[in-house]
Amino acid sequence: EPEVTQTPSHQVTQMGQEVILRCVPISNHLYFYWYRQILGQKVEFLVSFYNNEISEKSEIFDDQFSVERPDGSNFTLKIRSTKLEDSAMYFCASSERSRTGLCFGAGTRLSVL
Amino acid sequence: AQSVTQLGSHVSVSEGALVLLRCNYSSSVPPYLFWYVQYPNQGLQLLLKYTSAATLVKGINGFEAEFKKSETSFHLTKPSAHMSDAAEYFCAVTTGSSNTGKLIFGQGTTLQVKP
Repeated sequence: EPEVTQTPSHQVTQMGQEVILRCVPISNHLYFYWYRQILGQKVEFLVSFYNNEISEKSEIFDDQFSVERPDGSNFTLKIRSTKLEDSAMYFCASSERSRTGLCFGAGTRLSVL
Repeated sequence: AQSVTQLGSHVSVSEGALVLLRCNYSSSVPPYLFWYVQYPNQGLQLLLKYTSAATLVKGINGFEAEFKKSETSFHLTKPSAHMSDAAEYFCAVTTGSSNTGKLIFGQGTTLQVKP
């Protein structure tokens, strides 16, 4: 069964460093998303991406964040200068159409020290 | 704006007992509703979804949920709990007016199943 894959599973970084979280969505999906889950809190929407551009972003997704689909398969989330409060589990998701439900990856745990 | 409230952050049942996880939503337009399950160290897996067809929705692993517009609820049930059902469960909402498919999640309910 096709699945969304995320790498790495765990990323440790120093405050102020740049990180790139990588995702390979399901191949025939057209909508792509990043969510995050701070330990003990809700799963929060960060950004959605469709037709090679951001379609919606949350207040969390400030200028420190960016997304890219550099080729036909990868979808990346970049955090330019990490803060302690960026420590969370980051989930990538994709869907074939909007409103049909999302397929999530296993997540990348980001630890900012 | 849409929102989801899950009543009870922890629910504990005995193996073989009924599972009932509560979800209430708020939406000014007809909602699309979802339940996801998250096993330890894994991503979120879609259990079932309501997209304005039948109000009683059956999902995987014997779970089902009923959409009740009058109660703005979408509670998740399973007649008989199994040890393997122990996980975290998330209710989520989106709407037909959302062209991004963005989901808004509840805070999650941890289901414990006792032998």
